[in-house]
Amino acid sequence: DTAVSQTPKYLVTQMGNDKSIKCEQNLGHDTMYWYKQDSKKFLKIMFSYNNKELIINETVPNRFSPKSPDKAHLNLHINSLELGDSAVYFCASSELDTQYFGPGTRLTVL
Amino acid sequence: GESVGLHLPTLSVQEGDNSIINCAYSNSASDYFIWYKQESGKGPQFIIDIRSNMDKRQGQRVTVLLNKTVKHLSLQIAATQPGDSAVYFCAGGSQGNLIFGKGTKLSVKP
Repeated sequence: DTAVSQTPKYLVTQMGNDKSIKCEQNLGHDTMYWYKQDSKKFLKIMFSYNNKELIINETVPNRFSPKSPDKAHLNLHINSLELGDSAVYFCASSELDTQYFGPGTRLTVL
Repeated sequence: GESVGLHLPTLSVQEGDNSIINCAYSNSASDYFIWYKQESGKGPQFIIDIRSNMDKRQGQRVTVLLNKTVKHLSLQIAATQPGDSAVYFCAGGSQGNLIFGKGTKLSVKP
């Protein structure tokens, strides 16, 4: 019944590794997002996809690459992980303006 | 640049009292505003939203007020309960693009 789900919930990895976070929504929404929340709880948008097409790409290192195989999924792949990538990453989806968030993935880079 | 900010980083209230959380925004083109509640370890949860053609909207125990003249938004929680303890975010924007404020941590004293 979960509307927006993310896996994994926790991800601990070494610097330099490549990792992916998956997101799925069963709300039938056309638009999906990735946000990064830092240690001070600040939420900043990274990417937005509408019907599998990229519509927002904020200033994010190109080590981050979103992929949307279909409109219900938006995955985030991160190459060459750095210490500063440690944060909580949230996926969200929307039909119009209201965005619904997933439970988050806490990424820790050692 | 565009920003959405909160006046206070923390707010402590007595159980049963009313809480008011304030927010200011800078972009007069924003036509949609939303409040989220984020509990520890969870994703932001939708509380209430309002469009710029309204100045007040009420939900269950919550009211959002919008003053476009001074670009100010507030969330009022009636009869605050311990379960209301969380970080509250305001966000504003248009066309599906939301800018989030920094968050106010609400603590409810029994």
